[in-house]
This record gives sequence, C-alpha cells and structure tokens, in this order.
Amino acid sequence: GEDVEQSLFLSVREGDSSVINCTYTDSSSTYLYWYKQEPGAGLQLLTYIFSNMDMKQDQRLTVLLNKKDKHLSLRIADTQTGDSAIYFCAERRYSSASKIIFGSGTRLSIRP
Amino acid sequence: NAGVTQTPKFQVLKTGQSMTLQCAQDMNHNSMYWYRQDPGMGLRLIYYSASEGTTDKGEVPNGYNVSRLNKREFSLRLESAAPSQTSVYFCASSGRTSGGIGTDTQYFGPGTRLTVL
Repeated sequence: GEDVEQSLFLSVREGDSSVINCTYTDSSSTYLYWYKQEPGAGLQLLTYIFSNMDMKQDQRLTVLLNKKDKHLSLRIADTQTGDSAIYFCAERRYSSASKIIFGSGTRLSIRP
Repeated sequence: NAGVTQTPKFQVLKTGQSMTLQCAQDMNHNSMYWYRQDPGMGLRLIYYSASEGTTDKGEVPNGYNVSRLNKREFSLRLESAAPSQTSVYFCASSGRTSGGIGTDTQYFGPGTRLTVL
C-alpha cells in the first residue's frame, strides 16, 4: 500500500462529521474505493467513485475526488458509534485491471 | 449466497509446519485474491488469480503457493511456516456484473488469523 497513503488515526465526537483523507500516486487510476473493516471482520465495500467524477453522495457518505491533486476523501455526516472501524482507501489502476492497491487504513474512533 | 468463505478462522502453527488455507466463493466470480493484513501496513497482495487456470504473484509472494482448484476455490499454502507469516489472511473475489457496481469490486471473506510460534 505504499502508493496509497492515509493517516492512521482519526478521533471525532459523536454527531460531528468525520473526514478521512487519502492520496494516491497513479494518474491512471480508474476506480477509487472506500472499504470499512469492523473489528474481527473482513473488509466491506462502502462506496466507490469512477475517476471521471468529482463527487458522489450516498446517504451519510460523501466522496470527493480531486484528480489533479490525486486526493480522495470520505465524509461521514452525523458520525455514530457504529461508524467506529478502520477505513481503507483503494485504487484500481488501468494498467493492472485485476489488482487493487490498498492504503494502510485509518482507524476512526468516536468520542461521546 | 454465502459470498466468500474461508477456513479455518484461527490457526496456530509451529515454525516449519505446513498448512493450507481454503477459500471458496459462490458468486461466479472470475478473479480471486489472497491478502495478508499486518498492523499499520494495510493489505498486501500475496497472489491472485485473474481467471480459472491462471495465478500470478502479488506484492509479497515469498513463502507461499496457491492453487486455483476450480472457478470457486482458491487455496493458499504455507510449505514451511515462519513467525514472520503470523498475520490475518483475507481471501477476496471479484467479477464483472451486469447490474449493480459492475466494476470488478472485490468482496472479502471473514479472514483467517494465523499465529506461527
């Protein structure tokens, strides 16, 4: 995951918005993903964005993509205790369609 | 549909022992993957199989072998386990779908937690 970078930790207060950031290096990326991993479980796809889009909204989730800066963010509105998890950013590159490159994950913790 | 299943859930090995991790998917996906997850390092691809009958090395293949037994099953073998292989192993599968996402999104199994003493 060295080409996809995320901060390791984020702590937010319950009810606030969480913003998890990710940077990637390959401009040929086609799809960018956010996965959620709850304790003791596998990764679950949260949402994805195609590289020709700037924004995608899905209920409490908003994904923003700045292709020029190769920056991806995930905003979770009204963060709840059930949102506590590790969030992985991932990219699929045009040059290797079968493989996805994952970031190291951001652990989101919620304060009461 | 069960999705992606993995066995066993937990395993403890002694250095030098061998074992095979099993993975199966019932989504008729062409591609399957094996990852390992270590703290602070995210997921690293060990091997993948883009289609039945083919396998390719990923980022960290040393010490592992794989078999794509059929379209459903993809196994990972540790011939001589080492403490550095202590990790959580995830299997995933992906395939183009006519509806829904249709982006080769990967679906993950619940993981196998392996400890090598």
